[in-house]
Amino acid sequence: DPKIIQKPKYLVAVTGSEKILICEQYLGHNAMYWYRQSAKKPLEFMFSYSYQKLMDNQTASSRFQPQSSKKNHLDLQITALKPDDSATYFCASSQETGGDTLYFGAGTRLSVL
Amino acid sequence: QQQVRQSPQSLTVWEGETAILNCSYEDSTFDYFPWYHQFPGESPALLIAIRPVSNKKEDGRFTIFFNKREKKFSLHIADSQPGDSATYFCAAISGGSNAKLTFGKGTKLSVKS
Repeated sequence: DPKIIQKPKYLVAVTGSEKILICEQYLGHNAMYWYRQSAKKPLEFMFSYSYQKLMDNQTASSRFQPQSSKKNHLDLQITALKPDDSATYFCASSQETGGDTLYFGAGTRLSVL
Repeated sequence: QQQVRQSPQSLTVWEGETAILNCSYEDSTFDYFPWYHQFPGESPALLIAIRPVSNKKEDGRFTIFFNKREKKFSLHIADSQPGDSATYFCAAISGGSNAKLTFGKGTKLSVKS
């Protein structure tokens, strides 16, 4: 059974719309992350959370907002979608931040038309 | 700002040969260097990792060679098999609660039989 669940697996959106990507991890980890992967920028770090607190944000745009309602949840809200946002978004987790093995979810493949 | 540089972008070897993938870094505070592999349609997964207390780490056919002075590390895949065909990402991180794992751009390895 997958230990990091991402929903949905595939997502098609129209330009200007808003979507939420869901991530839940059942590894008992304290740190969670979002990474984005596209042909232009493989495995680009976006956010890191530790104990539900934002630790690092490398996303220039405020259109991307992480949301952590529980320790094992880290959703990603994306507003005013653009075609350039098309990518696979990976949620990941580790026991703690800094040097622990990162475990990735299966990803959400987002296409913005 | 690219903190981890990876080469080559793509590599083709014959079955049985040793594949060599290279990475270099700039930040001298980095103290953990993992390699991840990603098969088509799947998420990245940890393959092997090294800390700079040693200059070599072996796990079966996979070996990391680390050169702290030159800030370089490489992954050697001995006796390459067609099943090793994947994209390999090197990464680096420094300790600390704000640390994030920074990935190289990846090397697409093809092993021909």
